[in-house]
Amino acid sequence: DAKTTQPPSMDCAEGRAANLPCNHSTISGNEYVYWYRQIHSQGPQYIIHGLKNNETNEMASLIITEDRKSSTLILPHATLRDTAVYYCIVRAHWGGGTSYGKLTFGQGTILTVHP
Amino acid sequence: DAMVIQNPRYQVTQFGKPVTLSCSQTLNHNVMYWYQQKSSQAPKLLFHYYDKDFNNEADTPDNFQSRRPNTSFCFLDIRSPGLGDAAMYLCATSRESYEQYFGPGTRLTVT
Repeated sequence: DAKTTQPPSMDCAEGRAANLPCNHSTISGNEYVYWYRQIHSQGPQYIIHGLKNNETNEMASLIITEDRKSSTLILPHATLRDTAVYYCIVRAHWGGGTSYGKLTFGQGTILTVHP
Repeated sequence: DAMVIQNPRYQVTQFGKPVTLSCSQTLNHNVMYWYQQKSSQAPKLLFHYYDKDFNNEADTPDNFQSRRPNTSFCFLDIRSPGLGDAAMYLCATSRESYEQYFGPGTRLTVT
């Protein structure tokens, strides 16, 4: 799976949009961009994923550049409960064999939302 | 509403004393995973089950084993815990290659 690069930490004011960048310049054509987050002392939580089109769900939006070498996760109205470590992961969907959807976590971005 | 349940949430064991952590799911997912997360580190995959097929990561120590008696349950056995095995152990499930759902984790302390 391709490697990702994220800033180690970011701050955001409550109520404002949080924009978390991720670089994945070696991404392959069949690899998806996934975002998970981990709130302190909890298990990781799936947020969103995409291949090449922008995606939006009830939690966030994912913007992927046309060349697919970078992406941005957008939390439109951050709250204090969004304070967490955010992981950007690039992985292929498997069609068999031994690589069954393995998630390789990097160090992620610590997002702190301030009142 | 709990979908991936891990018991116990906190486990204390003695050095060298076998310990078993359990995971159950109500999602009927066919894939189950065990991750290890040490303090201030990212989660690291130990192994996973695709249905009944067990797949071990190359760098997972032999001290760690797993059992999946049925679709809903999966166990992590640590045969002889060392101090370096103290960590949060996370269970996750997925339907085929789709997004993974994680449990709350079991924090293991080795004394």
